[in-house]
Amino acid sequence: DIQMTQSPASLSASLEEIVTITCQASQDIGNWLSWYQQKPGKSPQLLIYGATSLADGVPSRFSGSRSGTQYSLKISRLQVEDIGIYYCLQAYSAPYTFGAGTKLELK
Amino acid sequence: QVKLLQSGAALVKPGASVKMSCKASGYTFTDYWVSWVKQSHGKSLEWIGEIYPNSGATNFNEKFKGKATLTVDKSTSTAYMELSRLTSEDSAIYYCTRIIRGRAFDYWGQGVMVTVSS
Repeated sequence: DIQMTQSPASLSASLEEIVTITCQASQDIGNWLSWYQQKPGKSPQLLIYGATSLADGVPSRFSGSRSGTQYSLKISRLQVEDIGIYYCLQAYSAPYTFGAGTKLELK
Repeated sequence: QVKLLQSGAALVKPGASVKMSCKASGYTFTDYWVSWVKQSHGKSLEWIGEIYPNSGATNFNEKFKGKATLTVDKSTSTAYMELSRLTSEDSAIYYCTRIIRGRAFDYWGQGVMVTVSS
C-alpha cells in the first residue's frame, strides 16, 4: 500500500499567517492527490484535487503544489473559519490512502 | 444541488450485521463512482471500497474484503454498504462519497455512526 506521511500532526498559527501542510508519498502517485478539511462533527470537504486544482467554492487563499512525491497545501492568509483538521488522500492506486491528518488551531 | 443523504445511526450487537444507505440526488447517479470511508473515533480516514452504479463494478481495500458488501439500487439512486460479523473495531462513522475526475471525493454524506455493543 502507498503510505502518505503527513506533517505536522498539529499546528498553531495566527490570523493572516501563511500556513503550509505537507504530505510525502511513499512512491510516485502523479497528480492523484487531493486535500480535505474537516471541522468538528462535520464531514470532510474537498479543497484541492489533482494536486493543484481548487475545488468549486473554495476560497482562493487555499492552494496546492507538488514537488516530486511531496505535496503541499498552503493557506495564504489564515482565517478563523479555516480551523479544523486537514487530510491528504492519494487515489493513484487502491487501496486509496489518507494522511494521518493535521490539526490546525488558532494561536 | 448534489446531496448524499445517509441513513441514521445504528446500535448493533457483536456478531450481527448492519446495512446502511446513501441516497444520491442532484446528479446522474450512474455516472459517478461512490466510495465508502471509515473514520474511527478521533482517528484518520480509511478507504473501504468503491462501486460504479452503472455496472455494479466494485473495488475494495483488502482489509475490508469479507467485511463490507457494496450494492446499489439504480431505481432509487441509492448506494448501500453492509458490514458483517461486527466487532468493537467496527464502531466508527461511515461516510459515502462521490468520486470525480482525478478520483477526488467531492461530495460526502453526513455520515452514519455505528456502535457495536452488547
